[in-house]
Order: sequence, then C-alpha cells, then structure tokens
Amino acid sequence: DQQVKQNSPSLSVQEGRISILNCDYTNSMFDYFLWYKKYPAEGPTFLISISSIKDKNEDGRFTVFLNKSAKHLSLHIVPSQPGDSAVYFCAARKGMDSNYQLIWGAGTKLIIKP
Amino acid sequence: EADIYQTPRYLVIGTGKKITLECSQTMGHDKMYWYQQDPGMELHLIHYSYGVNSTEKGDLSSESTVSRIRTEHFPLTLESARPSHTSQYLCASSEDQGYYGYTFGSGTRLTVV
Repeated sequence: DQQVKQNSPSLSVQEGRISILNCDYTNSMFDYFLWYKKYPAEGPTFLISISSIKDKNEDGRFTVFLNKSAKHLSLHIVPSQPGDSAVYFCAARKGMDSNYQLIWGAGTKLIIKP
Repeated sequence: EADIYQTPRYLVIGTGKKITLECSQTMGHDKMYWYQQDPGMELHLIHYSYGVNSTEKGDLSSESTVSRIRTEHFPLTLESARPSHTSQYLCASSEDQGYYGYTFGSGTRLTVV
C-alpha cells in the first residue's frame, strides 16, 4: 500500500521552461511534505517543504503547492536549468505518534533539454 | 561543518563475505536511519534509531543488523553478503521533529558478486 505516489517516472522539459512535478498521497494525517533532489551516486538533498496548513511555499525558482482536498502536491521549477536534471522525491511526514517518520514516493527523473 | 559521512562510497565484494557500512554524523542528531534504494524505486527504510542503544527494524525486511553505541555513529553490518544485497545504501539523520527533513550521506553503492 503505497501512501505517497509519484506517477510519472520521468519528465523531459526544455531549458528555460517550467517543470511541474506531481505527487499524490492517501493518508490525510500527514502534516508536512518535503521535496528532495537526488543526483546519481549521491544522497538526496532537501529542497523545499510545506506544512499541511499552507497551500503554497516559495523559495527562489522553486514553489510547492498543496491541495489538501485532492491530496495532491506539486513542485514548480521556473525557469528550468540544466543543473535541475536529477531525480526528485516527494516525502510526507507522519505525526508525533509515528515519531515524525517520512514516507517516500518512488521519484520522478527530470531531464532538462538544452 | 556539520555533516553526515558514509564510507565506503563504492564496494564490490564476494558472496558470503561480512561487511560493515559506516555512517557518522556531526550534528548531534538523536535520530538516524538506514535506507535501501534501487533505481526507479522509493527509498525503503531498513533500520532506524532514536538514540543511543535504541535500534528498530524498518518497513523493508533486511538481513542486516545495526548498532548505536554512540550518538554520532550508526554502522550497518551484513554478516554474509549475497547478490540480492546489491543496492545503494543511504544513511540519514534528523533533528527531533524533522522540520528540516533528513540530512543524507552520499551513500554506499554495494555490489555483491
């Protein structure tokens, strides 16, 4: 039972355009959502997060949107740059009862074309 | 600089060998984790620890074991490596509530031949 789903294994976007990565979840008790970026042969690095009480968080070129009624979040990257080519993981945080553990999606490989 | 370190980065080893993957962090985090990750798949939690002398198995069944004798050190041991253990192993740590997410090491790419 996969609680966090990233349905697109890969996404190809032209440099300079907007990249939109999507993530769906099933557990309404998740209270925090995070996006990570991973290069091959390296560990994931934290990118941006959003609390379940908000619907948008922005950090430079990166914006995360949360639609709680649809149990859906998305990461927007504008403008896309070649260095953004990586695998992006969506993660959802369980609450205090579960010691704030993260549940992970399977990742979306983003390819930025020159 | 506060960080988390994993060694070795790459390891090729024969079937039946015993191996220990090292993980150390300098951030003073109580919570530490081991994940296994294969290309195109989600991160699978195999072990975690919430402090010294505390270790638990994660969601993914694993033949590995861990120990947490010091806050900063969380090694993972495979007593007898098999080809099915070939994967990337990622160590992470976090402050208590994880608002800043997990900090990951660079990972160990293990190949068992």
